[in-house]
Amino acid sequence: ETGVTQSPTHLIKTRGQQVTLRCSSQSGHNTVSWYQQALGQGPQFIFQYYREEENGRGNFPPRFSGLQFPNYSSELNVNALELDDSALYLCASSLGRSGSSYNEQFFGPGTRLTVL
Amino acid sequence: DAKTTQPNSMESNEEEPVHLPCNHSTISGTDYIHWYRQLPSQGPEYVIHGLTSNVNNRMASLAIAEDRKSSTLILHRATLRDAAVYYCIRRPNNAGNMLTFGGGTRLMVKP
Repeated sequence: ETGVTQSPTHLIKTRGQQVTLRCSSQSGHNTVSWYQQALGQGPQFIFQYYREEENGRGNFPPRFSGLQFPNYSSELNVNALELDDSALYLCASSLGRSGSSYNEQFFGPGTRLTVL
Repeated sequence: DAKTTQPNSMESNEEEPVHLPCNHSTISGTDYIHWYRQLPSQGPEYVIHGLTSNVNNRMASLAIAEDRKSSTLILHRATLRDAAVYYCIRRPNNAGNMLTFGGGTRLMVKP
């Protein structure tokens, strides 16, 4: 069984650029969530995708967007990068329907984004 | 607003039990308590969760106060590998898979 993988591991961008981060879910999982973790803080929920549709979003602006593909892998896109977007971006996969009882989430190792 | 309060850090000796406290005084009747931990340079990993009764699994035990306003994660014998940030998370029953993390407790284990 393959765990959650993310790419790239590290990325450096400049302010104003756009970035795409990728996540492969654990085998059989149909739900993907993205989190942002600033240095020294706990992860903050960005949004969740279930069967290719966004269903649940945290307090993040529209320049944070995502996609989930038929194989349940996912992308996080961030436009017009700002310095405060520098963080570890975590992807988590799980099996379950949105809004239903909780299913354990399996996190990837994250992508470290630095915005200069 | 994570709505849980944890000490910033704790220290333990290897092979001794560790009790990690969490305060969630505003918890509602249908909120679950989840614990995740984050080892250095890794994503968080699930530890345990419960609603009212104490829970045990291969990793840890979770003791929930009778009034549910606090809980304690118990590692029965700390190892060096248990050094991590431990997050206590209050999860409403209708929150789906969304987790609201606070700052967590950094556990240091001394050999």
